[in-house]
Amino acid sequence: EAGVAQSPRYKIIEKRQSVAFWCNPISGHATLYWYQQILGQGPKLLIQFQNNGVVDDSQLPKDRFSAERLKGVDSTLKIQPAKLEDSAVYLCASSRGASNTGELFFGEGSRLTVL
Amino acid sequence: AQSVTQPDIHITVSEGASLELRCNYSYGATPYLFWYVQSPGQGLQLLLKYFSGDTLVQGIKGFEAEFKRSQSSFNLRKPSVHWSDAAEYFCAVAPPGGGGADGLTFGKGTHLIIQP
Repeated sequence: EAGVAQSPRYKIIEKRQSVAFWCNPISGHATLYWYQQILGQGPKLLIQFQNNGVVDDSQLPKDRFSAERLKGVDSTLKIQPAKLEDSAVYLCASSRGASNTGELFFGEGSRLTVL
Repeated sequence: AQSVTQPDIHITVSEGASLELRCNYSYGATPYLFWYVQSPGQGLQLLLKYFSGDTLVQGIKGFEAEFKRSQSSFNLRKPSVHWSDAAEYFCAVAPPGGGGADGLTFGKGTHLIIQP
């Protein structure tokens, strides 16, 4: 089966600009996660979707970050305006059902550099 | 709040030698426990997981991990490492029972270097 697809792989922007990342999970996977991985750190959960509903966005900086999964399939994560500290790899992951079996499938990530 | 500590930022091991990566967690109850591996330029891959039962769990690529409740630890081991094992290793926890807000909380990772 095809894996989790993310685009773009790399993006360089200046601070205060906006950027959007796209994720297409594995077909049939109900749960989708966005993680932020800053260099030298482990991934940090930003938001979790179950189908097209938000389950957890407690760590999403809502003043500048937004995410949607309108049809319960692919998802977009937006940053507007970007700050220097947003430089990171943004990872998308998906899993089959509502229960966490730990089998999250990760995409290769989108690397953001904010200058 | 839950947290995961991986005390070793870098570990260097000779090829063929044994490996142990440490992981300690802080959680109200026994969480679900995981080890993931991240190779350069690639996504994270699940090595193994522990939910309940036998405290020694086997994973892919010859890895195993042992859950020790008294020490709040879930250390990863491999009896003989290969050069292809060089990567970043992450320990992670999730709320037990599944469902609802169940995103993983990751440690900061241990960078494994394999010496020829």
